[in-house]
Amino acid sequence: AQKITQTQPGMFVQEKEAVTLDCTYDTSDQSYGLFWYKQPSSGEMIFLIYQGSYDEQNATEGRYSLNFQKARKSANLVISASQLGDSAMYFCANLITQGGSEKLVFGKGTKLTVNP
Amino acid sequence: NAGVTQTPKFRVLKTGQSMTLLCAQDMNHEYMYWYRQDPGMGLRLIHYSVGEGTTAKGEVPDGYNVSRLKKQNFLLGLESAAPSQTSVYFCASSPRGNAYEQYFGPGTRLTVT
Repeated sequence: AQKITQTQPGMFVQEKEAVTLDCTYDTSDQSYGLFWYKQPSSGEMIFLIYQGSYDEQNATEGRYSLNFQKARKSANLVISASQLGDSAMYFCANLITQGGSEKLVFGKGTKLTVNP
Repeated sequence: NAGVTQTPKFRVLKTGQSMTLLCAQDMNHEYMYWYRQDPGMGLRLIHYSVGEGTTAKGEVPDGYNVSRLKKQNFLLGLESAAPSQTSVYFCASSPRGNAYEQYFGPGTRLTVT
């Protein structure tokens, strides 16, 4: 079964520092994709970053980067220069192909709190 | 361009009542999805649709039915609500074959007493 594990229920970081949110995945697919979403207290799901399994370079989007270690099946999110507005829930997700269509499988999330 | 909208935003039901949640998207997306989010859990896929007139089961389909009669609308029905269905429901849509661009609605908070 496809599975996403986020082992950190909560994380704290000081404003302007960097933080790493862990994500490991378990998939038998040869081709897959990994996503990170941010969910602020307002509830909406916001796409942050995507890494394809065949991408040779780690994905980066502004202050977000993905530390992709394929052999370890990990896809950790790194947020640099944390801001107060980064306080939110963060979900890692794996894109799987099942029955000819693509679906996302989500982890349980990590609650990030940025302290001033 | 409203993106993905969900109706209603909040609802309280009594056990055994029925209701339909509406998801609408104006981006001409082929794929639409219904998820539920429970405390301490990530989103779990209930049902999804890969095009008008098609539906398929996701991870947690029991107790729900769906319909996609029009491309822009994806309906989620609860025939006989149970307290275990208290959750936040998210709808999402994506262009055909590209879940990378999955756009989420704002969510519907449902409480079943």
